[in-house]
Amino acid sequence: SAVISQKPSRDICQRGTSLTIQCQVDSQVTMMFWYRQQPGQSLTLIATANQGSEATYESGFVIDKFPISRPNLTFSTLTVSNMSPEDSSIYLCSVERSLRGAARETQYFGPGTRLLVL
Amino acid sequence: QKEVEQNSGPLSVPEGAIASLNCTYSDRGSQSFFWYRQYSGKSPELIMFIYSNGDKEDGRFTAQLNKASQYVSLLIRDSQPSDSATYLCAVPNTGNQFYFGTGTSLTVIP
Repeated sequence: SAVISQKPSRDICQRGTSLTIQCQVDSQVTMMFWYRQQPGQSLTLIATANQGSEATYESGFVIDKFPISRPNLTFSTLTVSNMSPEDSSIYLCSVERSLRGAARETQYFGPGTRLLVL
Repeated sequence: QKEVEQNSGPLSVPEGAIASLNCTYSDRGSQSFFWYRQYSGKSPELIMFIYSNGDKEDGRFTAQLNKASQYVSLLIRDSQPSDSATYLCAVPNTGNQFYFGTGTSLTVIP
C-alpha cells in the first residue's frame, strides 16, 4: 500500500476564489493522479501528473481551471481556480503501486479534500 | 455505453446474510479487476482484485470473474454492519486507464 496525505482535508470557499490542494506520498512515485468525486457520483479522473513534465488532462478538464504542479517524486498540488458551486466535490489524489499477485499496479487513494463552494 | 456499470442500489441485507454486488465492463481486453470499499466521508480502499476467470476467496469476500460475459462480482458472506459502505468496481482498460463504476451502496441491517 501507500501512505498518502492531503491538505486541506476540507474547506469552504467563496465563489471566484481559488484553492490549492496538496498531496504528499511516503515514497517516490512516477505518476500521481487527481480525481474528482461529486456527490453521489463515482470517481472521475482529472489529470495525471508526471514529475518534470506537463500534466495530462482528461476530456472536460483544462489546465487553466485545474493547474497542477509536480515539483518532485513525492509531492503534487492541484489548484481549483475561479471556483463556482459546481466545483463542490471531493478531490482525491492517488498513486499506483505494485500489488503482489495482480497482473498490474493498482491505485491507492489519499484521504481526500472535501470542498464546498458557496 | 459506460466503461464500467454497477447497480447503484441501495442494497440492504440482514446481518449474517450474503451480499452480492455486480459489475459489468465494456473493454474485452481488460485483464485485471478491482473492488474498492468506500465508507461515507472516506476515500476508497482496495479490498479485492481478480484477473483469472472463476472465484477468488479472501476471508468473507469472494470475487467472481467471467470474462466471456464481461462480468465481475463481489460476494460478502456473513455480512456485518461494518460492511455497510459503497463498493466500487474498477477496471483498467487496455490503455491502462482506470475506470470506476458509480458504486453500489450496501447497508447491513443488524
